[in-house]
Amino acid sequence: SQTIHQWPATLVQPVGSPLSLECTVEGTSNPNLYWYRQAAGRGLQLLFYSVGIGQISSEVPQNLSASRPQDRQFILSSKKLLLSDSGFYLCALPGGQGNTGELFFGEGSRLTVL
Amino acid sequence: AQRVTQPEKLLSVFKGAPVELKCNYSYSGSPELFWYVQYSRQRLQLLLRHISRESIKGFTADLNKGETSFHLKKPFAQEEDSAMYYCALQGGGSYIPTFGRGTSLIVHP
Repeated sequence: SQTIHQWPATLVQPVGSPLSLECTVEGTSNPNLYWYRQAAGRGLQLLFYSVGIGQISSEVPQNLSASRPQDRQFILSSKKLLLSDSGFYLCALPGGQGNTGELFFGEGSRLTVL
Repeated sequence: AQRVTQPEKLLSVFKGAPVELKCNYSYSGSPELFWYVQYSRQRLQLLLRHISRESIKGFTADLNKGETSFHLKKPFAQEEDSAMYYCALQGGGSYIPTFGRGTSLIVHP
């Protein structure tokens, strides 16, 4: 069965510092991968998705970037964090069989920018 | 463009009361619709999908194409139902679901 690992689980960073959140998946090959942000009052927002190594699509302009250096690794980064980057970041991949629309989520990384 | 609207940020009910979490969507074709739930300290997970026509944990949701709605219902709420609920839509040809803003359900004892 497929699993998603997100690291770190919790992070407190000062404004202007860099960021790297890691997502690794197991039990699947060449999956689509997604980064979502869950921010207070703003629901679940898709940030990036990737259909393969080195392929990144950005859904909203922002202070963040994503990379996919390996098939099962998806990284969310920032060079200089803003207060508005605070939130709960979720990595996801398709669940079920075929293109059902169902997503399987990781446990998330909670980022607080001070 | 596809859009999902959850009009209520917060829904507060007492144990045993009926609960309905509203979801309306905008999509020109035939959508796939889902409800996801996130309990405290647990990962966001799929609760049910309209195509399965199933009842999970006493919850049901019926797709109403005329009203473009997919409301989540349970006749008797339990305290353990307290969680964040998201409605999601996937349009044909897209592999990226669109989520609503979520509704926080609180069930009081």
